[in-house]
Amino acid sequence: GENVEQHPSTLSVQEGDSAVIKCTYSDSASNYFPWYKQELGKRPQLIIDIRSNVGEKKDQRIAVTLNKTAKHFSLHITETQPEDSAVYFCAASWSFQKLVFGTGTRLLVSP
Amino acid sequence: EAGVAQSPRYKIIEKRQSVAFWCNPISGHATLYWYQQILGQGPKLLIQFQNNGVVDDSQLPKDRFSAERLKGVDSTLKIQPAKLEDSAVYLCASIPPAGPYEQYFGPGTRLTVT
Repeated sequence: GENVEQHPSTLSVQEGDSAVIKCTYSDSASNYFPWYKQELGKRPQLIIDIRSNVGEKKDQRIAVTLNKTAKHFSLHITETQPEDSAVYFCAASWSFQKLVFGTGTRLLVSP
Repeated sequence: EAGVAQSPRYKIIEKRQSVAFWCNPISGHATLYWYQQILGQGPKLLIQFQNNGVVDDSQLPKDRFSAERLKGVDSTLKIQPAKLEDSAVYLCASIPPAGPYEQYFGPGTRLTVT
């Protein structure tokens, strides 16, 4: 079955810096890669996703890149703000409906 | 629209006791998931329902966990008997029938087994 590894587990940046979180997946059949943000004590919420027929997708300060050959994808956050502090989970799926999540990255943005 | 509802929000039980969690998905969402999220880890799928049928329960510890979704709407997840390692947040999620495929999560039930 699918296995998703996520790095780093913790990331500390200064406000205004960029943050990059990386994930690798094992199943070459996976074709859908969402990213979820989970604030402390709250539910995970989708922030961006990408399908395998696209190499990059942007939404304001957030972007995701996908390298199918290397089976890895990354989340890029530019101009980080304190409200970006949260745990970020990547996930992979070959069916759009069944997600396998990574272990999470705790992002701390210091003012 | 109303979000995914779960209850209770918190539950503390002793090992070997039983517990049940309830989930009400967003209206019209045919697919429902139960996840287990252990502290410091990502959500792990326990079971997926399509209407009232089970699509995937390969990671559900069936000797102690059970789940049902009668009438294809609400769902309950039960643990009997509970073990210390069952301490986790149990998340329910649902997706709309025709996409997009964002999973809408409920607030979760935090279970502590002592």
